[in-house]
Amino acid sequence: QSVLTQPPSVSGAPGQRVTISCTGSSSNIGAGYDVHWYQQLPGTAPKLLIYGNSNRPSGVPDRFSGSKSGTSASLAITGLQAEDEADYYCQSYDISLSAWVFGGGTKLTVL
Amino acid sequence: EVQLVESGGGLVQPGGSLRLSCAASGFTFSNYEMNWVRQAPGKGLEWISYISSSGKTIYYADSVKGRFTISRDNAKNSLYLQMNSLRAEDTSIYYCARKSTGTTWFDPWGQGTLVTVSS
Repeated sequence: QSVLTQPPSVSGAPGQRVTISCTGSSSNIGAGYDVHWYQQLPGTAPKLLIYGNSNRPSGVPDRFSGSKSGTSASLAITGLQAEDEADYYCQSYDISLSAWVFGGGTKLTVL
Repeated sequence: EVQLVESGGGLVQPGGSLRLSCAASGFTFSNYEMNWVRQAPGKGLEWISYISSSGKTIYYADSVKGRFTISRDNAKNSLYLQMNSLRAEDTSIYYCARKSTGTTWFDPWGQGTLVTVSS
């Protein structure tokens, strides 16, 4: 059971918009800790996609965006492309656990 | 180019030991905090250990505390994870990941090394 909760899977057709939620608690996201998102393509290492809730590292398309509110965060992907098919993980810090924590991951399928 | 390359994974029997290494290049290793994150087959990501840039501050997840030891050699630009008393549930891909001071995200990650604990 992950500390941060994500839907196991989401799907969308090419060109569509999808969102992935990440729900935490008062000891992590709700405590003010930033949320970050990683993309893991099949058979590869995770790659930083969004940091500090809504910031994109250099090279990440602006089709990817992040937001945070209260004890939750969301990743939005617009203009879906086949290459976006991957696992997506949210991550934050938990003050009660004194640990960096991840969501269970969401598998994005592009139909 | 910033690069992290893990090595040392393999097959080990339950109760055995293994030492993982992570070679860093393309940045000033001694200026960055480092972490180990693992991923069991078909499962999600689990942070397991942190070490400060100087090596003086160390944290572990409860799942590995008392069994795993993180260390670093800044002169050799290398990070290590000594794993003792290994269990079947430690079977995972182990990634090293860089973290900047004052931030809470990991970037970049190495390609990972697979540790399989089985008799």
